[in-house]
Order: sequence, then structure tokens, then C-alpha cells
Amino acid sequence: AQTVTQSQPEMSVQEAETVTLSCTYDTSESDYYLFWYKQPPSRQMILVIRQEAYKQQNATENRFSVNFQKAAKSFSLKISDSQLGDAAMYFCAYRDSGGYQKVTFGTGTKLQVIP
Amino acid sequence: EAQVTQNPRYLITVTGKKLTVTCSQNMNHEYMSWYRQDPGLGLRQIYYSMNVEVTDKGDVPEGYKVSRKEKRNFPLILESPSPNQTSLYFCASSQVSNQPQHFGDGTRLSIL
Repeated sequence: AQTVTQSQPEMSVQEAETVTLSCTYDTSESDYYLFWYKQPPSRQMILVIRQEAYKQQNATENRFSVNFQKAAKSFSLKISDSQLGDAAMYFCAYRDSGGYQKVTFGTGTKLQVIP
Repeated sequence: EAQVTQNPRYLITVTGKKLTVTCSQNMNHEYMSWYRQDPGLGLRQIYYSMNVEVTDKGDVPEGYKVSRKEKRNFPLILESPSPNQTSLYFCASSQVSNQPQHFGDGTRLSIL
């Protein structure tokens, strides 16, 4: 079974600084998808960024980028120029590409942004 | 507006009283899923469905039932709720494969 590990329950960053949230996963598959979701206090789940395992190029979305290391099974999220609105829970998620497309989430990292 | 709608948003009930949480999406998505979120455990998948009449167990299916008779609806049924099912529940939908899931606003269930 696939597992997703987020080893940092909480992190903090100064406004305008850069922070990296870690995520590792375990799978025997070669093709899959990875996602980062943000959950602000409103408890909505919002997609931040996604990565297809077959793509070597790291995904970027404005101030958000990932460092995808397939061999190491690592998928970290970098947030540049942190803003107060970035304060939230961040969840890493793995999704099978074929078959039944089961989804596995990590336990989350709570990010605090300090003014 | 593209959305996933869950009802109710909040519910307090008692042990053993059957309840259903409804979920409906208007995006013609094949894939639908239910999760529960508990502090320190993240989101755990309860059941998911690849299409009408196709469902499968996630990581924590015990005590729950689902059905997928129509593409847009995916209700979650608790036949005999127990206090350990007190949680925040999310329904989500997506196209299959690499598309991200769209989540409902969540249902806070408290079972006394």
C-alpha cells in the first residue's frame, strides 16, 4: 500500500521569506500523480500544485514550486515570498494513475506566517 | 458554477441512529470519493468510485456504506453511527487520472 509522510507537523516562516515543506512517499508504481493542497482555517481544500511522475521538470505555479525527486520518492513544496494568506494546513497527496486510482494523503503541515 | 455540494454541513446525532450525508457534483466527473479528517491523521479515504455502480474501499471503510446510482451523486451512509465516527467529512470529485479533486465544504459530524 502507498504511504505518504509529512515529517513536519508545524512550521513557521517570516513574511516575504522562503519556506520548504517536505513530503516523502512510498510506492512500487512507476506512474502516478502528486499534489499539494492547502487548507486555510475556512477548512476548504484548495489545490496548490500538481506533478506527474513521468515528467522530469518540476512544476511551478507563481510563488509555489516543487522539488520532485522520483528516485528518492520526495516531493517538497517551496513557497517563495511568503504572505500572510499562505498560513494554512498543507497536505501532500499521492494518486495512482491506473486501476482504481486510490488517493493517499499525508498528515499535514501547519504553516504559520509571522508578520 | 462548478461545485461539489455536501449536506448537511453540521450534524449532531446519537449512537445507532442511521444517517446519510449527501454529495452532489455538477461537473460530470467520473471519479468521486469520501474522506474523513481527524487531527494528526490528515485525510483518510473511506470509499471511492470510478463511475456509476463502480465503488471500492479506501483505507477506513468500516462502518460506512456508499452507493453510486447516478453519476452526479455519491451519498455516504452510516447505518449505525458510533462515537469514533465523529469527524470532519469531505466529498470530492474529479476526472480520472491526473486531474486534481474538487472538494465540498465539509460536513462536521458529532455522534454522542
